[in-house]
Amino acid sequence: AQSVTQPDIHITVSEGASLELRCNYSYGATPYLFWYVQSPGQGLQLLLKYFSGDTLVQGIKGFEAEFKRSQSSFNLRKPSVHWSDAAEYFCAVGSSNSGYALNFGKGTSLLVTP
Amino acid sequence: NAGVTQTPKFQVLKTGQSMTLQCAQDMNHNSMYWYRQDPGMGLRLIYYSASEGTTDKGEVPNGYNVSRLNKREFSLRLESAAPSQTSVYFCASSRTGGAFFGQGTRLTVV
Repeated sequence: AQSVTQPDIHITVSEGASLELRCNYSYGATPYLFWYVQSPGQGLQLLLKYFSGDTLVQGIKGFEAEFKRSQSSFNLRKPSVHWSDAAEYFCAVGSSNSGYALNFGKGTSLLVTP
Repeated sequence: NAGVTQTPKFQVLKTGQSMTLQCAQDMNHNSMYWYRQDPGMGLRLIYYSASEGTTDKGEVPNGYNVSRLNKREFSLRLESAAPSQTSVYFCASSRTGGAFFGQGTRLTVV
């Protein structure tokens, strides 16, 4: 069965500093991997996705993620964080089985300090 | 472009009452999903529909039923609401991965 682990429940970063959010997955084949962001009281917005090919994927809002098969990881990065990036971030894994339904991690809450 | 539309946005139910959450998408997606979100639990899949006419159980289906009315619409029904079903419910749709989410329904069962 596929699963996703986000080891960090909360992360605090100073505005302008770099950010890395960790995600580890468990899946037998090459997974489809996603990062979503959720602002308070809102739905989820897709930041980026990896299906195949180049292991470094670019997303919206200046985010990128790198797929590392050897480490079963798909970490999200941003070079310089803005106060508006404060939100909940979810990593998810899916497959063409089960209608591409996603299995989510429990999320990482990002706090940005001045 | 509406995307995924859920109704209602908020609902309070008494234990034992029933209700249906409605979801519609206008992106011509084949697959639709219902998730629930609870604090510290992430999103958990309740049911999904890979295509019109099919539905399958997800991780937490007990206490729920679904109907894929047509390609656009996918409803979630609580037959006899319980306090444990207090949650935020999200509908989503996708074609080949990378789901688009509605704004959610905040349901409280008292």
